[in-house]
Amino acid sequence: QKEVEQNSGPLSVPEGAIASLNCTYSDRGSQSFFWYRQYSGKSPELIMFIYSNGDKEDGRFTAQLNKASQYVSLLIRDSQPSDSATYLCAVDGGSQGNLIFGKGTKLSVKP
Amino acid sequence: SAVISQKPSRDICQRGTSLTIQCQVDSQVTMMFWYRQQPGQSLTLIATANQGSEATYESGFVIDKFPISRPNLTFSTLTVSNLSPEDSSIYLCSVGLSGSSYEQYFGPGTRLTVT
Repeated sequence: QKEVEQNSGPLSVPEGAIASLNCTYSDRGSQSFFWYRQYSGKSPELIMFIYSNGDKEDGRFTAQLNKASQYVSLLIRDSQPSDSATYLCAVDGGSQGNLIFGKGTKLSVKP
Repeated sequence: SAVISQKPSRDICQRGTSLTIQCQVDSQVTMMFWYRQQPGQSLTLIATANQGSEATYESGFVIDKFPISRPNLTFSTLTVSNLSPEDSSIYLCSVGLSGSSYEQYFGPGTRLTVT
């Protein structure tokens, strides 16, 4: 059974700080990794994906992947109150193209 | 990405009835998926909707309870049958775009309440 683990939080950071969200996965063969943001009452929105070891930056967001440690993280720089949401980590589930989701980390950015 | 719509956006249904949820995409897509998100929980994959063939169901989900249709590359339906209060949840369709391995984009969801 493939699993994706996240700290459920809540993670609280002050406005302007760096928020660090972490995720571990069980299947060493996983190749594709995703971060979704979900506001309360809304559907998940894809914000980052990463396939290779190392860092991938997009604006204020940086995804980090370490396949040896089976660890994915998302850094949000200059956090804003509008970043307050639940962040879901997802990992490819294999041949069907499906994703395995973690339970999500709730982030709260305080003004 | 793609523009994905779902109907209805929400519904309240009585125990024992069924609800059919529609998912429409503005472009042809290879992969369509149906997920359930129970209150305060993460997403659980129900099935992969395959165009022109039977859906592929995940463990714990069966065709009799969750029949799925996929008549073409832009449309799918999920029916939740013989409703019970435990079926109260948000149901989401997602699409995987051709050439973008595993990237999925979600529709707005259908909030179902069973009384």
